[in-house]
Amino acid sequence: SQTIHQWPATLVQPVGSPLSLECTVEGTSNPNLYWYRQAAGRGLQLLFYSVGIGQISSEVPQNLSASRPQDRQFILSSKKLLLSDSGFYLCAWTEETGDSGPLTGTQYFGPGTRLTVL
Amino acid sequence: GQNIDQPTEMTATEGAIVQINCTYQTSGFNGLFWYQQHAGEAPTFLSYNVLDGLEEKGRFSSFLSRSKGYSYLLLKELQMKDSASYLCAVNGGYQKVTFGTGTKLQVIP
Repeated sequence: SQTIHQWPATLVQPVGSPLSLECTVEGTSNPNLYWYRQAAGRGLQLLFYSVGIGQISSEVPQNLSASRPQDRQFILSSKKLLLSDSGFYLCAWTEETGDSGPLTGTQYFGPGTRLTVL
Repeated sequence: GQNIDQPTEMTATEGAIVQINCTYQTSGFNGLFWYQQHAGEAPTFLSYNVLDGLEEKGRFSSFLSRSKGYSYLLLKELQMKDSASYLCAVNGGYQKVTFGTGTKLQVIP
């Protein structure tokens, strides 16, 4: 069966500090991977998605970046955190579905990282 | 653009039935999801509708009308553990999933 891991579970960082959040998936190959942010009282905002190693698409211009160094590893980074970066960060995966449009499958979420920037 | 509307909060009684509505306007449509999210936790998948009609899965059912841009999630025989936020999400195709802000359901005794 497939599992998705995220760490750390919680993080408190000062403004201006760097960030690195990691997500790994087990039990599947060539998944589509996603980073979402959920701010308090707001919906899920798609930040980045990746359909393969080294392939990253950004949805929202901001001070965050993402990388996919391995098939089942997805990393979210920042060089300098802002107060507005606080939120619940969720990684998700879905099975790659080919030419018909990759996102016809269900997304499965990791446990999330709660980030507080002070 | 993408727009999804659902009520912010609802309250229902244990053992009762509740219907959570979702309306959407999206530039593309490749299916609609419902997720359940307990406070402080990640969303978990409940249902997926791509064709018009009702999909039933135990105590939960989901309905879709593509021509009306409308869906609902029906929860029967409510239990206290059903207290959670319910997220409506539309797959606009090609990695584009837009989530609503969620409906916070409180089940009371």
